[in-house]
Amino acid sequence: AQTVTQSQPEMSVQEAETVTLSCTYDTSESDYYLFWYKQPPSRQMILVIRQEAYKQQNATENRFSVNFQKAAKSFSLKISDSQLGDAAMYFCAYRVGKSTFGDGTTLTVKP
Amino acid sequence: SQTIHQWPATLVQPVGSPLSLECTVEGTSNPNLYWYRQAAGRGLQLLFYSVGIGQISSEVPQNLSASRPQDRQFILSSKKLLLSDSGFYLCAWRGPSGANVLTFGAGSRLTVL
Repeated sequence: AQTVTQSQPEMSVQEAETVTLSCTYDTSESDYYLFWYKQPPSRQMILVIRQEAYKQQNATENRFSVNFQKAAKSFSLKISDSQLGDAAMYFCAYRVGKSTFGDGTTLTVKP
Repeated sequence: SQTIHQWPATLVQPVGSPLSLECTVEGTSNPNLYWYRQAAGRGLQLLFYSVGIGQISSEVPQNLSASRPQDRQFILSSKKLLLSDSGFYLCAWRGPSGANVLTFGAGSRLTVL
C-alpha cells in the first residue's frame, strides 16, 4: 500500500522568510501524481501545487515551488516570502487511482 | 464553473441517532465523488468513492454507508452513530476529463455525544 509521510508535525517561519516542508512517499508505481494541499483555519482544503511524476521539471506556482526527487521518493514544498495568510495545515498527497494523504504539517507564520 | 456544496456544516448528534450528510456538485457531469474523514490534527482517510450513479466503493469497513442517487449527489449516512464517528467529513470531486486535482467542499463537523 502507498504511504505518505510528513515528518514535521509543526513548522514556523518568520514573515518574508522561506520555509521548506518535507514529504516522502512509498510506491512501486512509476507514473503517479503528487500534490500539496493547504487547509487554513476555515478547514477548506485548497490545492497549492501539483507535480506529475513523469515530469522532471519541478512545479512552481508563484511563491510556492517543489523539489521533486523521484529516486528518493521525496516531494518537498518551498514557500518563499512567507505571508501571514500562509499559516495553515499543509498536506502532501500521492495519487494513483485514489489519493493518499500524509498527516499534515502545521505552519505558523510569525509577524 | 464547478462548485461543490456540502451540508450541514456543523452537526451535534446523540449516540445511536441516524446521520445524513449531503454533497452536491454543480457545473460538471459524471464526476468521481469522494467522502473523507479527518480526525483532529490528522490527515484524510478515504471512506467511500463513487465513479457513477449507484456505484459505491468502501475503503474502510465501519458504521457508515454512502449512496449516490443522482449523478452529482453523494450522501453519507449512518443508521446509528457511535462516539468514534465524531470528526470532520469532507466531500470532494474529481472530473472525468483526466484532471487529477481533488476539489473539496467546505466540510461538515460532526460531534457525537
